[in-house]
Amino acid sequence: GAVVSQHPSRVICKSGTSVKIECRSLDFQATTMFWYRQFPKQSLMLMATSNEGSKATYEQGVEKDKFLINHASLTLSTLTVTSAHPEDSSFYICSARDQRALGQFFGPGTRLTVL
Amino acid sequence: QQQVKQSPQSLIVQKGGISIINCAYENTAFDYFPWYQQFPGKGPALLIAIRPDVSEKKEGRFTISFNKSAKQFSLHIMDSQPGDSATYFCAAKSGTASKLTFGTGTRLQVTL
Repeated sequence: GAVVSQHPSRVICKSGTSVKIECRSLDFQATTMFWYRQFPKQSLMLMATSNEGSKATYEQGVEKDKFLINHASLTLSTLTVTSAHPEDSSFYICSARDQRALGQFFGPGTRLTVL
Repeated sequence: QQQVKQSPQSLIVQKGGISIINCAYENTAFDYFPWYQQFPGKGPALLIAIRPDVSEKKEGRFTISFNKSAKQFSLHIMDSQPGDSATYFCAAKSGTASKLTFGTGTRLQVTL
């Protein structure tokens, strides 16, 4: 149980394009999902907290117009990187919190490369 | 107040040895302390977690030791195996907040 999937696992795009990443909780309902960014050999940096049916809460320094988050259902949250630039290249990871448990369960991550 | 300090940054252990990773926190409101294991190119996986009402929790070869008065907790990996080579993150959360505060990570390498 507590499986979280992400799609796509890898994406390469041209500078200026937008990229959408999906995060799904497969076997539980997640009222809260989180989006992280991770640079090589570094820890996870929380970008935003996403609650189903409401606007996401962004961490300080994260541009909400750049990183659009939608959490339309209890099992799906999406992150859209708008007008991507090479500096947006990173490993993006989502996690979902199971209301029945304390833990957060992470997706496998999405490697974004912006050329 | 929100920091979780993790050490060492990297660790090399021989096969069969004990790997020990330490974390310290300042926020006394933290009441949930998980450890995550991450392999290269993969998302973190929940390994084991503890609440502060117990001083130790063991699951297989993995043990968390918790010292509430010192505000420290550690992960012990007994009989370390090459397959344990990964990056390990400690984290902490308070009951009033959903988000986890992560340590900086420890890269563990288990040699033959």
